[in-house]
Amino acid sequence: DSGVTQTPKHLITATGQRVTLRCSPRSGDLSVYWYQQSLDQGLQFLIQYYNGEERAKGNILERFSAQQFPDLHSELNLSSLELGDSALYFCASSETGGRTEAFFGQGTRLTVV
Amino acid sequence: DQQVKQNSPSLSVQEGRISILNCDYTNSMFDYFLWYKKYPAEGPTFLISISSIKDKNEDGRFTVFLNKSAKHLSLHIVPSQPGDSAVYFCAASAPGAGSYQLTFGKGTKLSVIP
Repeated sequence: DSGVTQTPKHLITATGQRVTLRCSPRSGDLSVYWYQQSLDQGLQFLIQYYNGEERAKGNILERFSAQQFPDLHSELNLSSLELGDSALYFCASSETGGRTEAFFGQGTRLTVV
Repeated sequence: DQQVKQNSPSLSVQEGRISILNCDYTNSMFDYFLWYKKYPAEGPTFLISISSIKDKNEDGRFTVFLNKSAKHLSLHIVPSQPGDSAVYFCAASAPGAGSYQLTFGKGTKLSVIP
C-alpha cells in the first residue's frame, strides 16, 4: 500500500459526459501528479500541483482540468468525454516537488462508452 | 516523438538467471532516471534510480547501469525470482524548477519462469 488513495477504482460513463477523479496523497506529501495510461502507451504526465498551486503541465487536454485543495487532496475533472479518453488515470504524490521518489495510487480505470 | 523507449515489450527469464531490461532515451537534457515496477491492478512502485553523475547504482538484487554517451540504461536483476514478474517502466526527468515531470517508456513485461 503506497498510501495514495484514488477513488473511484472503476468508472464507466458515456461520451459527452463529465467525471471527477479524486486523489488523496500520502500524509505529509505536498506534491500531487496526475498521469494517464492509455492502451499500449506508457504513462503520460498530465499535471502537477504543489501545495495548492499548479507547478507543471504536460500533455493535458483543454477538456481536462485539475485542482489541489487546502487539505492537499486533488481532483482531476474530465469533460466532454470521448472514447479515446478511456484509460487508466494514476495519481502520485511526493513530499516535495523536486527529485524525490513519487508514490503512485492504484489508479482509476475510466471507460467511455 | 517518444523520448524514452523500451524496445522489448516482453522478456522471459528462468528463475535464478539474470534479467536485463533495456531503455534508450533521446532527450540529452534528461539527467535523472528511474525504474518502476507495476503489478496488475496496482500502481507503479519505485524500484531504483540513478543520476547522470553516476554510471551505476545498486540496491540488493537490482542494479541500474547508465551509459550517457549511448543514451542507454539497463536494469539488471540477479538472481531473478518469480515474484519479479511484472511490467517494468523506465522513466526519465530533466532538471527544472522543482517539477517531477517524468517521461515514461511503454514498459517491458518480465516473466520469470520457475
